[in-house]
Amino acid sequence: SQTIHQWPATLVQPVGSPLSLECTVEGTSNPNLYWYRQAAGRGLQLLFYSVGIGQISSEVPQNLSASRPQDRQFILSSKKLLLSDSGFYLCAWSDRQRYNSPLHFGNGTRLTVT
Amino acid sequence: QKEVEQDPGPLSVPEGAIVSLNCTYSNSAFQYFMWYRQYSRKGPELLMYTYSSGNKEDGRFTAQVDKSSKYISLFIRDSQPSDSATYLCAMSELGGGTSYGKLTFGQGTILTVHP
Repeated sequence: SQTIHQWPATLVQPVGSPLSLECTVEGTSNPNLYWYRQAAGRGLQLLFYSVGIGQISSEVPQNLSASRPQDRQFILSSKKLLLSDSGFYLCAWSDRQRYNSPLHFGNGTRLTVT
Repeated sequence: QKEVEQDPGPLSVPEGAIVSLNCTYSNSAFQYFMWYRQYSRKGPELLMYTYSSGNKEDGRFTAQVDKSSKYISLFIRDSQPSDSATYLCAMSELGGGTSYGKLTFGQGTILTVHP
C-alpha cells in the first residue's frame, strides 16, 4: 500500500530564517505531488504541484519554492521566512496511472514563524 | 462569490444521530467530488470520492451529488464520538491522475458528536 511521510511535524522558526520541509511517498511510482497550505479558519490553498522530477508548477506567487529531486521526494523551501508564512503545510500525491485518482494527504507540518 | 461554499457549522449532535453536511458550488466544470475528514493536527483523510450524480454508500457514510443543482452532501448514519472532526468537501475539473488534478476545497464544517 502507498504511504506518504512528512517531516517535521511541527516547526518554530524566526522571521528571516530559511525553511526546508520534506515529503516522500512510498509504494507507488511516478506520482503527481502537491504542496497545500491550510491557514487557521481557512480552506486549503494549492501552492505547488509536480508531474515529474524537476517539473514544478506554482499556483500562487509567494515567498516559497518547491523542488522534486527524486521521483517520490518533494521539498518545500524558503530562503527567508515571513510571519505570513505561518500555517499548516500539507503534501499530497495522486496516481498518474489512474485518471480518476483522488488526492491523498500526509499528516502535515505545522509551521510557526515568530 | 466563492467557488465552493460549505455550511460553516459548527455542528453538535448526540451519538446515534444522522448528520448531514453540505456544499454548493458555482463552477459547472467540476466533475470529481470528494469528502475528507480531518482530525485535529492531522492531514485530511479521504472518506468518499465520486464522479457521477447520485448516491454512493460506504458503511455509515453516503455521498450524494446533484450536478443539476450544483450541490453535494455527505450523510453519516449512527454517528459516533469518533466521527468528531472537521469535514471538508473538495472538487475538481480533472481527475488527479491528470497533470493538473487541482482541488478546490470548502472551508470545512466542524462536527462534534457527544455521547
